[in-house]
Amino acid sequence: DAGITQSPRHKVTETGTPVTLRCHQTENHRYMYWYRQDPGHGLRLIHYSYGVKDTDKGEVSDGYSVSRSKTEDFLLTLESATSSQTSVYFCAIIGTYGYTFGSGTRLTVV
Amino acid sequence: AQRVTQPEKLLSVFKGAPVELKCNYSYSGSPELFWYVQYSRQRLQLLLRHISRESIKGFTADLNKGETSFHLKKPFAQEEDSAMYYCAPLGGRAGANSKLTFGKGITLSVRP
Repeated sequence: DAGITQSPRHKVTETGTPVTLRCHQTENHRYMYWYRQDPGHGLRLIHYSYGVKDTDKGEVSDGYSVSRSKTEDFLLTLESATSSQTSVYFCAIIGTYGYTFGSGTRLTVV
Repeated sequence: AQRVTQPEKLLSVFKGAPVELKCNYSYSGSPELFWYVQYSRQRLQLLLRHISRESIKGFTADLNKGETSFHLKKPFAQEEDSAMYYCAPLGGRAGANSKLTFGKGITLSVRP
């Protein structure tokens, strides 16, 4: 949908390991976002990007970093995964008609 | 900060009953508001945006500036409406460089 894909779709990882999630878009959108979705908390913004190499923190950025070396890719890295980072992660872009979301990545940290 | 509040976490109704999902906003400028829907284990999808003033799947939402609300309504709920619904702002113009905050979402359960 709208040329936005996330990978992987599912991942199980061990506490303390680094993890990188990828968001790829094919429509040259300038703004890209990473959210996490948790029961009782809804969607919370982790980081966002407003251009290549331009990123900023959201409300729950601790423990996460991002990179945007080219327009189409926005990477989210968990430097050292913790169990509290078990969640569903959604990437989104903003177009003329609002947000378009990726299918999500279900991450489990054991 | 541009925020929306969804005061309820869950709404359970019987099929055919009216539905109102509440959303209130606090804004420093002119809001542009959306409703998104997420069916079980699927991605969030745009349901409707206030600017278009259209009705999607029987849902409507009117921006009430006096009450700073953007409630989602449907006169007769269907079982397939069961989903999670998010109210969301778009800060100013599309792609505005701001920390955009979704509401916490509300689960709508429509019982047969």
